[in-house]
Amino acid sequence: EVQLVESGGGLVQPGGSLRLSCAASGFILNDHYMDWVRQAPGKGLEWVGRIRTKFNTYTTDYAASVKGRFTISRDDSKNSLFLQMDSLKIEDTAIYYCAREQEDYYYGMDVWGQGTTVTVSS
Amino acid sequence: QSVLTQPPSASGTPGQRVTISCSGSNSNIGNKYVYWYQQLPGTAPKLLIYRSNQRPSGVPDRFSGSKSGTSASLTISGLRSEDEADYYCAAWDDSLSGRVFGGGTKLTVL
Repeated sequence: EVQLVESGGGLVQPGGSLRLSCAASGFILNDHYMDWVRQAPGKGLEWVGRIRTKFNTYTTDYAASVKGRFTISRDDSKNSLFLQMDSLKIEDTAIYYCAREQEDYYYGMDVWGQGTTVTVSS
Repeated sequence: QSVLTQPPSASGTPGQRVTISCSGSNSNIGNKYVYWYQQLPGTAPKLLIYRSNQRPSGVPDRFSGSKSGTSASLTISGLRSEDEADYYCAAWDDSLSGRVFGGGTKLTVL
């Protein structure tokens, strides 16, 4: 079964750091661009960023709201994706989803994890 | 405030046809593909439409997408109670060098 499972969420103080993980199973991670998308409580979806494949030199793109504070990385040998979040702000509180981009679907995000909750509060 | 503009709500009765709009600009919808995602209550989003008007395998043909200029729309025909969900449009934005989402439309099946 094709699956993504996020972990690492929790409660952190403003200014703190947190590292989220996303474990992929049922498919070969290194064939796909991967994204992080978040959803604040009661709000809509917000794209966080993406990381391309090794073939595309693992280049990344980020939303302006997180650029310089968040870093996306991947370990294809472990079928894992990561989101390092530093200098966290209260407005970063959200459910964080990892998602797979599918080239056949013109890079639409066709597989999503169940999400992990990050709460930034003092 | 989202880069892509959607109506916050829409509604219809079972069997009806409902259309949800998504308005953008030349830096996104005008020159890029549009995607639509469905988010059922308490669940992760699901890809509904890609390349503006294509359905992934497994998505019923009741769902269709279209694009014209800097606007796009999602049409649901033969509305069912299980279609009650939040719907989001998305596209790549060249000016922002990133994906952008609409604010979402909450669909209620009366």
